[in-house]
Amino acid sequence: QQPVQSPQAVILREGEDAVINCSSSKALYSVHWYRQKHGEAPVFLMILLKGGEQKGHEKISASFNEKKQQSSLYLTASQLSYSGTYFCGTGPDYNQGGKLIFGQGTELSVKP
Amino acid sequence: GAVVSQHPSWVICKSGTSVKIECRSLDFQATTMFWYRQFPKQSLMLMATSNEGSKATYEQGVEKDKFLINHASLTLSTLTVTSAHPEDSSFYICSARPNTEAFFGQGTRLTVV
Repeated sequence: QQPVQSPQAVILREGEDAVINCSSSKALYSVHWYRQKHGEAPVFLMILLKGGEQKGHEKISASFNEKKQQSSLYLTASQLSYSGTYFCGTGPDYNQGGKLIFGQGTELSVKP
Repeated sequence: GAVVSQHPSWVICKSGTSVKIECRSLDFQATTMFWYRQFPKQSLMLMATSNEGSKATYEQGVEKDKFLINHASLTLSTLTVTSAHPEDSSFYICSARPNTEAFFGQGTRLTVV
């Protein structure tokens, strides 16, 4: 089942914050977050496996709610390099087949 | 991190011809690889799961005879678009998950003229 992302697009000024949401009607085994620049392959940002988990790296963090039906990606003090399309993906453990199904994406544009 | 290499990066072909895209895992063995297709400004849509030594598993709505997948070794999966038509023009990306994280190839931009 494809997760649902919101918003579809965000335009920010450099230094502003953004939140991207990913939700599902059923509990997810895991949530993967990726960023893709135009014409390039997606780049891994982070993965959350446990309900209630929060993790981050520098100014990008994510959370996974207790019911494992919603995840949010937080981008703080955005930089121009944050521009791109963000995808959340979900799927079974890699030992169980491992295919990932991605949300429809959120296009983020950071302006100077 | 693990490296997945995809070739070619782009290809232009005539309508009716076939095109082969290769996906290699360079520093790990992959019994399973995944093929995605992405239209402009759209999501990564899973086409099929490539299984080493056995038949690929296709997602609903994907034509098996049109998108031939072969996974003959633990480091190579190929996708052949047969009798390509302009509507097959898209960005094709392969992926593998040697562990929790998924790694993607660079993608192949296919243009059918």
